[in-house]
Amino acid sequence: GENVEQHPSTLSVQEGDSAVIKCTYSDSASNYFPWYKQELGKGPQLIIDIRSNVGEKKDQRIAVTLNKTAKHFSLHITETQPEDSAVYFCAASSSTGRRALTFGSGTRLQVQP
Amino acid sequence: GAGVSQTPSNKVTEKGKYVELRCDPISGHTALYWYRQSLGQGPEFLIYFQGTGAADDSGLPNDRFFAVRPEGSVSTLKIQRTERGDSAVYLCASSLTGDGTEAFFGQGTRLTVV
Repeated sequence: GENVEQHPSTLSVQEGDSAVIKCTYSDSASNYFPWYKQELGKGPQLIIDIRSNVGEKKDQRIAVTLNKTAKHFSLHITETQPEDSAVYFCAASSSTGRRALTFGSGTRLQVQP
Repeated sequence: GAGVSQTPSNKVTEKGKYVELRCDPISGHTALYWYRQSLGQGPEFLIYFQGTGAADDSGLPNDRFFAVRPEGSVSTLKIQRTERGDSAVYLCASSLTGDGTEAFFGQGTRLTVV
């Protein structure tokens, strides 16, 4: 089955700096890669996703890149703000195989004001 | 409602008891997923419904766990003979399509088995 690894497990940045979180996946059949933000006591919130037919997607301060050959994808947050502090999860799924998400282990992002 | 709703928010039960956790998906979403999240970890897949049928239940840990979605909307996750190791946050997600994309999560039910 799919295995998703995520790094780093914790990340501390100064407000205004950029943050990068990286994930690798094992199943070449995976073709959908979402990122979720989870705040304490809440469910995961979908913030951006990318499909395997594109290499990059951007939404305001958030961008995701995908390298299918190397089987890795990354989340980039620019101009970080204190409200970006949360746990971020990457995930992968296949529309032709198991359609449920396989999640990484999470990255706790702390943005210092 | 506008989002996925899960009830109860918190459930404390004694070891050996039976519990039911409820999920109300976003209206019109045909796909529904149950995940379990232990402290400090990512959600782990339990079961996936497409309409009324369980399309994939390969994530259920054992036969004490069962889920239904009789009318293709609300789903109930049922756990028999609860064990302390079942303590976790149980998350439900729904999706408009059945291809595994764009899943939106509820706030979860925190289950504590004492």
